[in-house]
Amino acid sequence: GNSVTQMEGPVTLSEEAFLTINCTYTATGYPSLFWYVQYPGEGLQLLLKATKADDKGSNKGFEATYRKETTSFHLEKGSVQVSDSAVYFCALTFLNTGNQFYFGTGTSLTVIP
Amino acid sequence: EPEVTQTPSHQVTQMGQEVILRCVPISNHLYFYWYRQILGQKVEFLVSFYNNEISEKSEIFDDQFSVERPDGSNFTLKIRSTKLEDSAMYFCASSEQGLRVPEAFFGQGTRLTVV
Repeated sequence: GNSVTQMEGPVTLSEEAFLTINCTYTATGYPSLFWYVQYPGEGLQLLLKATKADDKGSNKGFEATYRKETTSFHLEKGSVQVSDSAVYFCALTFLNTGNQFYFGTGTSLTVIP
Repeated sequence: EPEVTQTPSHQVTQMGQEVILRCVPISNHLYFYWYRQILGQKVEFLVSFYNNEISEKSEIFDDQFSVERPDGSNFTLKIRSTKLEDSAMYFCASSEQGLRVPEAFFGQGTRLTVV
């Protein structure tokens, strides 16, 4: 089947610390991979995506590389800010269809000054 | 920037009542979705809708649920005879069809509380 596994939270970091949120997946086909972010009181917003192996998605200083050999899509940021405090969701879907997204459980990040 | 809008943002209903959650997808999108997130749990797929019919649904989406696109802009989720366990955040999403990655755009969610 298709599923996404994320590291458990919550994660608390000091400002300017390095962030890694692990994500691994299982998929019956060749998925596209996403990170969505949910800021307090808001909906899910696309943070970054990658559609094929070795692609790197990046946005707002966040990066994630599609690793087919390890079925992973870990999210990283070199220096987090207080404004990065949110819940981060790893997800997969399949190209060129109206198929559903499969989400991880979400990882809550709190950045303290 | 176009966005998916959902109303209401919070709905409280008594057990056994019917609720309708409303969504206005992005205007040129063709695929529409409902997801839900029970507090502390995964975001779960409920249903996808294309060309005025359900294209896929999960086990959660039983006879208690229905979706409708009553006009050219709204997309609704009806929950009949609500139960306590229906309390969740419900997200509407829409995406374009085509060769591009079907990136989904999500609304801000409707928090449903069944009491």
